[in-house]
Amino acid sequence: QQPVQSPQAVILREGEDAVINCSSSKALYSVHWYRQKHGEAPVFLMILLKGGEQKGHEKISASFNEKKQQSSLYLTASQLSYSGTYFCGHAGGTSYGKLTFGQGTILTVHP
Amino acid sequence: GAGVSQSPSNKVTEKGKDVELRCDPISGHTALYWYRQSLGQGLEFLIYFQGNSAPDKSGLPSDRFSAERTGGSVSTLTIQRTQQEDSAVYLCASSGRTDTQYFGPGTRLTVL
Repeated sequence: QQPVQSPQAVILREGEDAVINCSSSKALYSVHWYRQKHGEAPVFLMILLKGGEQKGHEKISASFNEKKQQSSLYLTASQLSYSGTYFCGHAGGTSYGKLTFGQGTILTVHP
Repeated sequence: GAGVSQSPSNKVTEKGKDVELRCDPISGHTALYWYRQSLGQGLEFLIYFQGNSAPDKSGLPSDRFSAERTGGSVSTLTIQRTQQEDSAVYLCASSGRTDTQYFGPGTRLTVL
């Protein structure tokens, strides 16, 4: 089953913060976050493997609550380069390498 | 190679024709994935190869779609008797020991 992302779209001014949520109805092995700019391939941001784990990548970080089957992506002090569509993908069950992606969250950062 | 490569980058075909899309994964990556992305949509899983194991074909939308991976490296996705609804960007990804998937630039397929 496809994870559910919220919100579907976010519009920010440079320097503002945003949170993107990803919820699943199934037990998760891992959560992966990707960003895709228009006309380009998705680019890996981070992977979270443990319940409650939080990882950071410059001003982008994420948490993974295994019990709630939910992950959140935090973007702080947004930059113009953060614009794009953010996808979460979850892996679970026997084909743990196979990802099922959410429908995406469109993030637009204005000057 | 430095990254995942796919060919062709663009393919325009007529309805009913067969097409073959190629993916060259990152050298040494044992896992290879095919996804489909329709205009403005998310990533739809198609098929997954892991080493010498039987592929996970659970995402293939119909028996017109098939894929093979020769020698544990290059993969070809074949679509027979193409339909207009097959028009999409077909993305290939590969991963090594860390499960991180690295995507290729995709093949944009247009069925007229």
